[in-house]
Amino acid sequence: QMQLQESSTGLVKPSETLSLTCTVSGDSISNGRYYWGWIRQPPGKGLEYIGKVFYSGSTYYTPSLTSRVTISVDTSKNQFLLRLSSVTAADTAVYYCAVLTSDSSTGGFFGSWGQGALVIVSS
Amino acid sequence: QSVLTQPPSVSGAPGQRVTISCTGSSSNIGTGYTVNWYQQLPGTAPKLLIHGNSNRPSGVPDRFSGSKSGTSASLAITGLQAEDEADYYCQSYDTSLSDYVFGAGTKVTVL
Repeated sequence: QMQLQESSTGLVKPSETLSLTCTVSGDSISNGRYYWGWIRQPPGKGLEYIGKVFYSGSTYYTPSLTSRVTISVDTSKNQFLLRLSSVTAADTAVYYCAVLTSDSSTGGFFGSWGQGALVIVSS
Repeated sequence: QSVLTQPPSVSGAPGQRVTISCTGSSSNIGTGYTVNWYQQLPGTAPKLLIHGNSNRPSGVPDRFSGSKSGTSASLAITGLQAEDEADYYCQSYDTSLSDYVFGAGTKVTVL
């Protein structure tokens, strides 16, 4: 049973960089069967897709965040990471990592999710 | 504003059947990309409920069913139970945005 667990600093100052790590257990990031994605949810609001990474390091970011976001993978630790720069209060959200089963003909779905990590942007 | 439109809320009495619609367009659901549904219980992470329009992952009760037609999809819950009170989100892929997209979510209330 695959499990994902986010970790973060929790509180970030405006204009600084938000960092989160997702640790995967029960399967290997390097298996090549999945993408690994990040989704966020502002308080009281819906889900917003941020981006994805493959074990090889190839990435895709949602257009609205592409100038500020970096997603990377550390296969030696079975982890993938999210960095979001120049944050504002609008980036305050629960950040989820998830495994993405992606298919060019059907799209893809997020099969397993981490429990989520609340990141607050405040001075 | 979400590209997938869901009703903000639906409600029903225990044992009843409720449906949640997810309306898209020719650039997402209408292209043939599948629709997936997630259940988010209060204070918890979303959980995959339906994938590929109508497939239930192992462990999801058969009270939950999904369907798709044209540019819309639906999630049906039959035999509504108190534990089904949650937010439900549809999700697909949009070719115009080149992005995964979610609906804004529907809150299901069990009366």
